This record gives sequence, structure tokens and C-alpha cells, in this order.
Amino acid sequence: GDSVTQMEGPVTLSEEAFLTINCTYTATGYPSLFWYVQYPGEGLQLLLKATKADDKGSNKGFEATYRKETTSFHLEKGSVQVSDSAVYFCALNQGGKLIFGQGTELSVKP
Amino acid sequence: EAGVAQSPRYKIIEKRQSVAFWCNPISGHATLYWYQQILGQGPKLLIQFQNNGVVDDSQLPKDRFSAERLKGVDSTLKIQPAKLEDSAVYLCASSSRVGMGTDTQYFGPGTRLTVL
Repeated sequence: GDSVTQMEGPVTLSEEAFLTINCTYTATGYPSLFWYVQYPGEGLQLLLKATKADDKGSNKGFEATYRKETTSFHLEKGSVQVSDSAVYFCALNQGGKLIFGQGTELSVKP
Repeated sequence: EAGVAQSPRYKIIEKRQSVAFWCNPISGHATLYWYQQILGQGPKLLIQFQNNGVVDDSQLPKDRFSAERLKGVDSTLKIQPAKLEDSAVYLCASSSRVGMGTDTQYFGPGTRLTVL
């Protein structure tokens, strides 16, 4: 069946460091891909999405490109802030059903 | 625009008791979802409604879990009887269109259930 695999956390970075969180997927057909973020004590929020191959989603300085050839959707940010500390979830949507990875916890230190 | 509302936010019960969660989706959203998020894992879909009909309940443990969406708006998820392994956060989400893979799902704050 369809599945999403993320790099394991926690990931600990210093402020202004470069961030990459790896995400790969297995799916039949052509799913849409999403990154959701969960800040401490809050619900899941959409961070960005891409609906077809080679699309780049971006928001709040984060970017991810839908790579069909490598079945990947890696999340990147050039300079992280303490306020980016959260759990990040990669997900695919196949016909309305979201399938999530296990989440990657990011901790940014001042 | 108001977001997805859920209540209660927290619930502690003993095993074999019953519990119910409530969700009010974003106004006008046709599709409503219930997810279970066990600590340290990503959310897993339990059931999907389109208006007041069930689209997918293949992952719902039907011997103890039930859900309904009356009049195509609010929804309730019930567990009876609860087991220790049901301890999790129960998330409700809604989206505006039906079965569209490109559509964004908007999540509520969740209900954290602890079964003792």
C-alpha cells in the first residue's frame, strides 16, 4: 500500500542553520504531497503542498519540490529560527485520503 | 473564518468505559475526517464522511468504535468499551471538496484521550 517515510528525529540545530528533513513516498498513481507542522500544544497546520511532479511548494521560508523520479519531497529552510521548533509531518493524499509519515521533531537552539 | 472545533480537549477514563468526542467542521466543508494519532506516530485515518455518508471506514475498529455525522455537519466519534491501546489524540479534519487529492485538510486541535 501507499506509505511515507521520514528521517528520524529529533533534529537539533542552532539558530540560522540550514534545515533539511528527508521524506520519501511509495504510491500508486500521482498523489499530492504535503508538509504539515505541529507546534507544541497546537493542532496540525498545513505548511506547504505540491500537487504534481516538479512543483515547488513554499511558505514561511520553507520549500519542498515534488520529485517523481526519486519519489521524494524533502523539506528545506535556509535559516531556521527558534520559533520553528515543532514536529513536521510529510503526507501524501491519494483520492482524498491523507497518509502521514511518522513525524520529525525539530529543536532549534538560540 | 472559524476553524475546526473539537471537544473535549482532554479526557481520562478507565478501561472498559465509554467515551465520545465531538467535532464541528469549517462551515460549508463537505468532507469530514477522524484520525487517530498515537504518541510518536503520524495520524492514521479512521473514517471519512462525505456530507453525512461514509466514504471510507476501512481502518475503523468497528467492534468498539462508531461514528456518525448527522445532517452533514457535526460529527461524533464514540469508543465503547475503551482499551488501553486507545490512548491517543483524536483529530478531526475537514475539507471543502469531495475526494480531491489536491484539496487541503484543515485540522482541529484534537482530543487527548488517556485510558487507565
